[in-house]
Amino acid sequence: EPEVTQTPSHQVTQMGQEVILRCVPISNHLYFYWYRQILGQKVEFLVSFYNNEISEKSEIFDDQFSVERPDGSNFTLKIRSTKLEDSAMYFCASAGQENFGYTFGSGTRLTVV
Amino acid sequence: KQEVTQIPAALSVPEGENLVLNCSFTDSAIYNLQWFRQDPGKGLTSLLLIQSSQREQTSGRLNASLDKSSGRSTLYIAASQPGDSATYLCAVRPWDTGTASKLTFGTGTRLQVTL
Repeated sequence: EPEVTQTPSHQVTQMGQEVILRCVPISNHLYFYWYRQILGQKVEFLVSFYNNEISEKSEIFDDQFSVERPDGSNFTLKIRSTKLEDSAMYFCASAGQENFGYTFGSGTRLTVV
Repeated sequence: KQEVTQIPAALSVPEGENLVLNCSFTDSAIYNLQWFRQDPGKGLTSLLLIQSSQREQTSGRLNASLDKSSGRSTLYIAASQPGDSATYLCAVRPWDTGTASKLTFGTGTRLQVTL
């Protein structure tokens, strides 16, 4: 079964540092997403990406966040200057056009200290 | 704005019982609904995907139904096992195909199946 792969699985960073979270979506999928889940809370939408541009972003996705698809396989989320409240599990997901079902990665647990 | 609610928030049952998890959503203009399983500290595993034109989907001991007009879905788990212990999330995708539409997630039901 095709998988969405995320690296690293866990990252600890100091407040104010930049982090890049990496994802390899399913190869024939066209839609890419980042979600996050703060401990004990709902899974929240951050951003969607299609045709090499952002389709939609939430109010959480401010100027500190950016996404890129630098080549044909990777999809990255960058946080420029991390804050304590950015500590969360970040999930990458992709969806195809056949039924628009989502496949999620196993997540990156980001801890900002 | 779509709101998704899941009841109950937590459930503990003895092994072997059949159980039903509920999901309700406020905007019936959905394209599909997906049920996910999440183990503690882990990712989201897709269990079942129901398109808006479908009434139910089955996979093994799992059966999910969808009543779009009333804004409800149920996940039925037959003959529960301790390995079913996890949080179950439902999520809806709005009806605007062709765009990278986001999912709206429910609050989740934390299930514990005891021996």
